[in-house]
Amino acid sequence: SQQGEEDPQALSIQEGENATMNCSYKTSINNLQWYRQNSGRGLVHLILIRSNEREKHSGRLRVTLDTSKKSSSLLITASRAADTASYFCATDSNYQLIWGAGTKLIIKP
Amino acid sequence: DTAVSQTPKYLVTQMGNDKSIKCEQNLGHDTMYWYKQDSKKFLKIMFSYNNKELIINETVPNRFSPKSPDKAHLNLHINSLELGDSAVYFCASSRMDRTYTEAFFGQGTRLTVV
Repeated sequence: SQQGEEDPQALSIQEGENATMNCSYKTSINNLQWYRQNSGRGLVHLILIRSNEREKHSGRLRVTLDTSKKSSSLLITASRAADTASYFCATDSNYQLIWGAGTKLIIKP
Repeated sequence: DTAVSQTPKYLVTQMGNDKSIKCEQNLGHDTMYWYKQDSKKFLKIMFSYNNKELIINETVPNRFSPKSPDKAHLNLHINSLELGDSAVYFCASSRMDRTYTEAFFGQGTRLTVV
């Protein structure tokens, strides 16, 4: 079943700007993960945030988690053309990884 | 070294045929998965295998069957292929340590049924 929902479905920004994507989910989770998928390729893990964490950083990525609102956000700072991809969130819940439909991010030069 | 490899990358076949997609991981993970990604980019889990036992079996048609000869391999067999089976199929693996750790994905197999 599709639990996560990413918002927006598509996002187009200028290179150098920040990109923010959101993910909402429905059930309690152990952790939430963000992945990137380049066109025609497999998914690549970006970052994992546990249910007892509120914020996590990795390079230009910042992830927040609000378990009371059942939502997470992924911020990419100082975007680059290479960040053009689809971004998926996945929640670890009840021994399953449940995926959202993804946000397509386009970085314009 | 490829962590999760699946073959073939492209598969074009006629309706009614039987085909297999192979997947191998060299990460020593104990859990492997098959996912289907449709044209709308929804990623849907099909099967999950942990230590050679099926632990999740989503409501996929029984024409699809996973086969795991050992912990490093999880192959996907599809019988009597239908047009609606056209999609990209991804194999993945992860380590199950009370909760799921990050999943590593193969490059995908684009299946086209004509």
